[in-house]
Amino acid sequence: IAGITQAPTSQILAAGRRMTLRCTQDMRHNAMYWYRQDLGLGLRLIHYSNTAGTTGKGEVPDGYSVSRANTDDFPLTLASAVPSQTSVYFCASSDLTGKSNEQFFGPGTRLTVL
Amino acid sequence: KNEVEQSPQNLTAQEGEFITINCSYSVGISALHWLQQHPGGGIVSLFMLSSGKKKHGRLIATINIQEKHSSLHITASHPRDSAVYICAVREETSGSRLTFGEGTQLTVNP
Repeated sequence: IAGITQAPTSQILAAGRRMTLRCTQDMRHNAMYWYRQDLGLGLRLIHYSNTAGTTGKGEVPDGYSVSRANTDDFPLTLASAVPSQTSVYFCASSDLTGKSNEQFFGPGTRLTVL
Repeated sequence: KNEVEQSPQNLTAQEGEFITINCSYSVGISALHWLQQHPGGGIVSLFMLSSGKKKHGRLIATINIQEKHSSLHITASHPRDSAVYICAVREETSGSRLTFGEGTQLTVNP
């Protein structure tokens, strides 16, 4: 693994189904983030975690949950998917101890909820 | 009104032209980021600014904290610069979290 990876790359899901998007980083970054990107709205923060064991709500958290059991993994779960959750999802990470706080992004997951 | 506004939304240029993309924000910030998203979807960080100016190759980013404004310039533009350029701010009160503009779609024609 180099950097930050996401799985799956894309997924078509029936409404009402449960889905977990996976995100893994190997940079030992303490902070991780989940965003959704929608046309005309830009990137919006869903949930974040500043360190393993803690999570926080972003701008659009409803319908999503996250966990941060360890430094490397930050899965995003849709408990009961709805069509409005059709979007491209990006995971990112950053090193809060560094000066730049540059965020590194995963390649994205394209999710379609029918 | 969005906290982060970019202009223009779309920009088409001829190869070799000097390009400017603008970003205005309405909140107090600790840093501003410029990001690039290529047609394949991948997002990479270009700059992080808290004051002044930074240069990397043909890209220059400036920020005026008092005016709450930043610009991204591309000199001698090339078709491979075609991408979406995104401005994001780290608010003083939001810790590590970023607030993003909607992005500027740049197309550079040969």
